Parts: sequence; structure tokens; C-alpha cells
Amino acid sequence: KAGVTQTPRYLIKTRGQQVTLSCSPISGHRSVSWYQQTPGQGLQFLFEYFSETQRNKGNFPGRFSGRQFSNSRSEMNVSTLELGDSALYLCASSLQGTNTEAFFGQGTRLTVV
Amino acid sequence: QKEVEQNSGPLSVPEGAIASLNCTYSDRGSQSFFWYRQYSGKSPELIMSIYSNGDKEDGRFTAQLNKASQYVSLLIRDSQPSDSATYLCAVYIMNTGFQKLVFGTGTRLLVSP
Repeated sequence: KAGVTQTPRYLIKTRGQQVTLSCSPISGHRSVSWYQQTPGQGLQFLFEYFSETQRNKGNFPGRFSGRQFSNSRSEMNVSTLELGDSALYLCASSLQGTNTEAFFGQGTRLTVV
Repeated sequence: QKEVEQNSGPLSVPEGAIASLNCTYSDRGSQSFFWYRQYSGKSPELIMSIYSNGDKEDGRFTAQLNKASQYVSLLIRDSQPSDSATYLCAVYIMNTGFQKLVFGTGTRLLVSP
């Protein structure tokens, strides 16, 4: 069974630009959560989508947004990139997002220069 | 108080010893608890889940849960150098009517040959 697929794996962007990251969950999984991982802060929760609805949001500025499509694939967007947005962005898929096991994709490494 | 707390380590153990990793959480109503292993430069990998008080064993790994004390631990028996990684504790925490999966900052484990 295919795992969680994130694209692209690596990105280099310039300050002020915007970026879109994609996540395809495990087949049958309806919940997708996004996390930002940096050496100093660990895994920080960005948001969670279930059946195309954002159910939960972390403490990130409005520049960070996301959406989920009817096939459960999800995208996240970061606008007006800042140097501090450089991080590993991870998505995790689970059956229903509540009390169920979550599985991570390989992540997208974003570098903002 | 952080929602999920772990000692950052590093925890150093010799090969063949038992490694004991600990985690505390803030939400007394949490019902689902997970341990992930993350190698440097890789994404987190789920290794154990536990939902009931007591012990759950899987090979060399044993997860222990004490909901009254809001405490979860992971024991690794017969530690191997290949177990050297960062271990992340994760707990579903209630937030704005829905749960989100919150991670501790991780404990770095070093197993010396």
C-alpha cells in the first residue's frame, strides 16, 4: 500500500515569494495534518483538514494557509516568504484524525534565501 | 506548561542496555499516545501506539501509560547502535472542539557499541 507522498522534496525560494506544497495521503485516509519542523522549535502543528474542512489550526500567521480536495489530497501555501520560514514541512495522514495513528510523508525541505 | 514534554537528552546507553524514554502531557482527557522515531534528515516513523493504562510490548519496544500521572514512557530493550535517533512522543490534545496531534520536542538517544 502506498505511503504518504509529498512534493516537491526540496525547494529554494526568495524572500517575498510564495510557495505551494502538496501532500497525497494514504488511500482511504481522510485526515491530513501539516507540521513545520525546525531545529529550535521541533514539530509545530500548522493545521488539520478532514473531508475538505479545516478542523484545527495552530499558532501561525495568516500567511500560512491550506486546503484539501475531494480526493483527500492537500496543499499548503505560504505567501510573502520570510527567512524564518526555512524548515522541513511534513504532512501526516490518518484515517480520521482523532485518536488514530498518523503516518508521515518524507517532507518538503524549504529554504528561503 | 507545555502540552507534551520530553527531556531533550542526549540519553547515552551502551549496546545491549535498556533505554528508558519519558514523556508527560497536559490534557487529562487525552486518550491516544504514540511514539515516533526520527533519524537525522528523515521524517518521523511511527513505532508504538498505546491507548490503555499499563504496558504494551512489541518486539524490543515496550510502551507504558499511566493516565492518572499523565505519563507515557518507552523502553527499548537490548539497545542497538541502529536505535540511535530522536524519539518523539505524540498525544492527541483537545483544541477548539477537535483534537490535534501534538508532539514533544523529542529525546535524542545515543547507543554506543
